[in-house]
Amino acid sequence: DAKTTQPPSMDCAEGRAANLPCNHSTISGNEYVYWYRQIHSQGPQYIIHGLKNNETNEMASLIITEDRKSSTLILPHATLRDTAVYYCIVRVAGGATNKLIFGTGTLLAVQP
Amino acid sequence: GAVVSQHPSWVICKSGTSVKIECRSLDFQATTMFWYRQFPKQSLMLMATSNEGSKATYEQGVEKDKFLINHASLTLSTLTVTSAHPEDSSFYICSVDRGRDNEQFFGPGTRLTVL
Repeated sequence: DAKTTQPPSMDCAEGRAANLPCNHSTISGNEYVYWYRQIHSQGPQYIIHGLKNNETNEMASLIITEDRKSSTLILPHATLRDTAVYYCIVRVAGGATNKLIFGTGTLLAVQP
Repeated sequence: GAVVSQHPSWVICKSGTSVKIECRSLDFQATTMFWYRQFPKQSLMLMATSNEGSKATYEQGVEKDKFLINHASLTLSTLTVTSAHPEDSSFYICSVDRGRDNEQFFGPGTRLTVL
């Protein structure tokens, strides 16, 4: 599976949009981009995933560049409860192992 | 998404004892579950893939005789930490693989403290 690069930490003001970048320049054509977050002392929570088209759900939007070498997770109106470590992971969907390999992620701190 | 539970949520045990952690998929029959371990201020590390009705697949460096995994039904996988020692103290998390594109859904985690 391709490796991802994320900034170690980011701050965001409450009520503003949080834009979390992820670089995956070695992504393969059949690899999806998945985003998870982990609030302190809890299990990770699935947020969103996509292959090449932009995706939106009730939690967030995922913007994937045309060359698929990077993506951005957007939380449109960040709240204090969005403070968490956000993980960007790329892998093949439905692959033989379906393993998720977590990197170090981005610690998003939403400030009041 | 899938609902995954873990029991217990936390456990404290003496060194040398064995501890069993349960992972249940409450609304989905899971042929595959995953077990992760997370030390303080570190990321999640995949320990093993639990396969219903067959042996688990362990990641490199994980002792299969120390971390026993049983996946006897489509809704339950157990992780037993045998002869636990203080260095086994960690946050253990399981997940279920489901969804159209194999999104994984995680349990709330079990915090193990070995004295």
